[in-house]
Amino acid sequence: GQNIDQPTEMTATEGAIVQINCTYQTSGFNGLFWYQQHAGEAPTFLSYNVLDGLEEKGRFSSFLSRSKGYSYLLLKELQMKDSASYLCAVRDSNYQLIWGAGTKLIIKP
Amino acid sequence: GAVVSQHPSRVICKSGTSVKIECRSLDFQATTMFWYRQFPKQSLMLMATSNEGSKATYEQGVEKDKFLINHASLTLSTLTVTSAHPEDSSFYICSAFGLAGHTGELFFGEGSRLTVL
Repeated sequence: GQNIDQPTEMTATEGAIVQINCTYQTSGFNGLFWYQQHAGEAPTFLSYNVLDGLEEKGRFSSFLSRSKGYSYLLLKELQMKDSASYLCAVRDSNYQLIWGAGTKLIIKP
Repeated sequence: GAVVSQHPSRVICKSGTSVKIECRSLDFQATTMFWYRQFPKQSLMLMATSNEGSKATYEQGVEKDKFLINHASLTLSTLTVTSAHPEDSSFYICSAFGLAGHTGELFFGEGSRLTVL
């Protein structure tokens, strides 16, 4: 079966750095997405990786290793507004999006 | 960037009534749109893939006759929850790939929170 694993919840301190991991087992691979979702709102796009390596976008970076079925989202200089759920999703060989359950990130002052 | 708009954002209805939710791509044509449902503290669950000009493809366990999807134009897809019951109360979200298609990001509507009394 297809599966995406990410931690249920993480806690970090304002101003610090946090890494949210995502491992996947899917039928084929056509890209990995990270989305941010604040409570009660729709997800918003953060990053897209299809090749191995690190993609940096401001305070957020996303890494992919296709051979390991692994990705992480790195958030730097954490701000209180970064408190949200972070969803990892993989597009399989049929271009279907397989979603992880999301990681709830709690930022403490 | 591409924009997807969803309406209404909130709706409260009585049990047994039907509710229609609209999803529009505002600045691009979307031949395919996706409808998701999300229960509190859970991840997105794909309900169906809406294809312009043809029947929607429903995920296993989703009742076609209860969740009617119409994708009559390249910019509009609608989801109608028929004979709604309290267990249908949920957050419904539509999405579509942007101009870059399969290589691009998935844009989401604002979501519609349905409460069935």
